[in-house]
Amino acid sequence: QLQLQESGPGLVKPSETLSLTCTVSGGSISSSSYYWGWIRQPPGKGLEWIGSIYYSGSTYYNPSLKSRVTISVDTSKNQFSLKLSSVTAADTAVYYCARLWIYTMRENWFDPWGQGTLVTVSS
Amino acid sequence: DIQMTQSPSSLSASVGDRVTITCRASQSISSYLNWYQQKPGKAPKLLIYAASSLQSGVPSRFSGSGSGTDFTLTISSLQPEDFATYYCQQSYSTPCFGPGTKVDIK
Repeated sequence: QLQLQESGPGLVKPSETLSLTCTVSGGSISSSSYYWGWIRQPPGKGLEWIGSIYYSGSTYYNPSLKSRVTISVDTSKNQFSLKLSSVTAADTAVYYCARLWIYTMRENWFDPWGQGTLVTVSS
Repeated sequence: DIQMTQSPSSLSASVGDRVTITCRASQSISSYLNWYQQKPGKAPKLLIYAASSLQSGVPSRFSGSGSGTDFTLTISSLQPEDFATYYCQQSYSTPCFGPGTKVDIK
């Protein structure tokens, strides 16, 4: 059974870079059928897609965050990572990683999800 | 950009009730619509993909319908474990989630 686990600092200072890693177990990140994604959820609010990556390194990002986001993949470690630069308090959220099933270009969905990790931006 | 709305934003229901949640897209998204359930402190869980396909392991009391701009998630007989927040998500273009519908106990 595929499992995803987020890891990284729970506290980041304003203007610094948030860095998180998602470790995939129970399956290969190098499968041609999937992308891998990051989604976040500010406390008490809804879900916001951040970006997704293919095992080859191909990425696509939420236009609203694109200038600050970098997602990378390490197939040797079965991991993918998120970097979000110049963070502010508005970036405080639970960050989830998830597998993105790709049936067709438009027919795709997130399943399963990691448990999530809370990142607080504060000095 | 495609915007997603959901109605109602919250509802109160009793065990055994039939519950319907609506999701609307700002432009046609064909059937590229997914539904997730999220319980407090937990990650979202996929219920329905491609508007009407039930994810493996999800109880058959959950069903989805719709195409174009209007979609519904129906719970035929609400169970205690179904009290949660439900989100729709379009995959027609840049992934985007609806604001959520919270279902709580009446």
